[in-house]
Amino acid sequence: SQQGEEDPQALSIQEGENATMNCSYKTSINNLQWYRQNSGRGLVHLILIRSNEREKHSGRLRVTLDTSKKSSSLLITASRAADTASYFCATPLIQGAQKLVFGQGTRLTINP
Amino acid sequence: EAGVTQSPTHLIKTRGQQATLRCSPISGHTSVYWYQQALGLGLQFLLWYDEGEERNRGNFPPRFSGRQFPNYSSELNVNALELEDSALYLCASCRLAGVTGELFFGEGSRLTVL
Repeated sequence: SQQGEEDPQALSIQEGENATMNCSYKTSINNLQWYRQNSGRGLVHLILIRSNEREKHSGRLRVTLDTSKKSSSLLITASRAADTASYFCATPLIQGAQKLVFGQGTRLTINP
Repeated sequence: EAGVTQSPTHLIKTRGQQATLRCSPISGHTSVYWYQQALGLGLQFLLWYDEGEERNRGNFPPRFSGRQFPNYSSELNVNALELEDSALYLCASCRLAGVTGELFFGEGSRLTVL
């Protein structure tokens, strides 16, 4: 089963609106990462939030982390058509596996 | 600084054939990860190489294999191709062993099995 699961699976909004995506995970983590993937391309790292951080900003991105609820959210403010992409959360599995586990992603469509 | 490069970009094979995909990590990165992304799905962890050694593999059959060369580039081999192997194969490199930091991804190799 996936370590991280995004919600919603798909989101369609108008340009200029804010987009919020959520991620839930199962095991303890030392950080959580968000990535973006344009259609059929490689993933691009957006932001990393450590387990002792509650909120982090990068430009129009705001990420929150609630370790008690094992959840994170990614907020994109003032969305643009170019933000259309799939967004994935990823969490490291440290014990034994040593791998970054990705969720299924949220497909975000920004309508002009 | 060059990013992670993968080749070929596209590859078409028939069932039963073998496919070889290649990846060059960012200079200075010793860890290479391989992921499979079937159409419309998330990323499934395949293999992790660090310092020339296979450190971990995902839940894939043995016909998925690979290696890492002394220059830290890596190769993924898929033998006895099946239709469900059609996917985007993504390679990523990491500055530090393990996954405490971000992964840098290549653009992927799209494998189509007919």
